[in-house]
Amino acid sequence: GAVVSQHPSRVICKSGTSVKIECRSLDFQATTMFWYRQFPKQSLMLMATSNEGSKATYEQGVEKDKFLINHASLTLSTLTVTSAHPEDSSFYICSARVWGINEKLFFGSGTQLSVL
Amino acid sequence: GQQLNQSPQSMFIQEGEDVSMNCTSSSIFNTWLWYKQEPGEGPVLLIALYKAGELTSNGRLTAQFGITRKDSFLNISASIPSDVGIYFCAGPDSGGSNYKLTFGKGTLLTVNP
Repeated sequence: GAVVSQHPSRVICKSGTSVKIECRSLDFQATTMFWYRQFPKQSLMLMATSNEGSKATYEQGVEKDKFLINHASLTLSTLTVTSAHPEDSSFYICSARVWGINEKLFFGSGTQLSVL
Repeated sequence: GQQLNQSPQSMFIQEGEDVSMNCTSSSIFNTWLWYKQEPGEGPVLLIALYKAGELTSNGRLTAQFGITRKDSFLNISASIPSDVGIYFCAGPDSGGSNYKLTFGKGTLLTVNP
């Protein structure tokens, strides 16, 4: 299947700092990428839809100024958690849409964010 | 939005046993996707289903797209310890072009050697 690379896999930061997470489609172009958040033992919650060359679409309740999304190229989307606080600690996962007759969604390996 | 009801919530089985889990919805889905997630990793796509009635296999895994388009099941035959993980069903929200996925709450599978 298609490969989605997410980096870093784990990050620990101090409260008040900003953290950038990268999501790359390695062997295909992804005009649409999605960012999810997952709490322990829970399902994935969609945070936002990232479209190449345009503004991201955020789900209800997700602060766009807190979670900055940039999708500047067909293979890269970034999520920046600004002024992180302990309650932002979570597992963040990106995914990329593979267009075609039989569409699929492939996921990155996730980023565990711990804010101290 | 649409909701997926996935069951069972968890399963504890012995190595070699067969496993069955399913997802149901009150609304129609045109695609069913089954993922497996291991601790600290992103979900990995196991099987994708696109037609009502479709039965698809991937090794020891078999999944079917229900005729009514409102359900799907995933079977794992002759389970092995590395089958441990959380299995999610998912389907794209209807009416939109952005392919937003709705996920079931997952089935936690534990396999005892």
